[in-house]
Amino acid sequence: GDSVTQMEGPVTLSEEAFLTINCTYTATGYPSLFWYVQYPGEGLQLLLKATKADDKGSNKGFEATYRKETTSFHLEKGSVQVSDSAVYFCALAYGNNRLAFGKGNQVVVIP
Amino acid sequence: ETGVTQSPTHLIKTRGQQVTLRCSSQSGHNTVSWYQQALGQGPQFIFQYYREEENGRGNFPPRFSGLQFPNYSSELNVNALELDDSALYLCASSSTGSGRSYNEQFFGPGTRLTVL
Repeated sequence: GDSVTQMEGPVTLSEEAFLTINCTYTATGYPSLFWYVQYPGEGLQLLLKATKADDKGSNKGFEATYRKETTSFHLEKGSVQVSDSAVYFCALAYGNNRLAFGKGNQVVVIP
Repeated sequence: ETGVTQSPTHLIKTRGQQVTLRCSSQSGHNTVSWYQQALGQGPQFIFQYYREEENGRGNFPPRFSGLQFPNYSSELNVNALELDDSALYLCASSSTGSGRSYNEQFFGPGTRLTVL
């Protein structure tokens, strides 16, 4: 079935460093792709999305490009802040408006 | 505009018991989806309700059941609780019928269930 794979392990980096979180997907067709963020003690918030190949989603300095040829949707931010510390989930939409999520990556930004 | 709310925030139960979790959808939304998020994992789709009927189900046993009410709020019921049911249960609401292929889901803060 449709699924998402995220890179293993937490990501720890210094403030103002460049962030990349890898995400690849397996799906029939071309699903919409998403990045969600979860802050401690909170639910999921949509960070950005892309609905077709070559689309670039962007929000709050984060970007991700829908790459059909590599079935990827990697998340990037050029200069992270301490406030970006959270868990980030890659997801795709399948079936009748439901979401399949990756395992998530804990991002810790050190001042 | 009121967002998605869930109750209770936390819940502790013992094995074999039954539990009911509640979700109020965002104003204007007619569809509710439930997800289970085990510790350190991504959310897993349980089922979805639209117009008070189950509209798709993930790989969860029948002891996970739900309801949707005329005001679009929803309940998730879990019978015969097992230790592995300990998780954060997330509810998401969306608006089906807008003609778009995907309708954004808005998530509530979740209910943390602990089964002892």
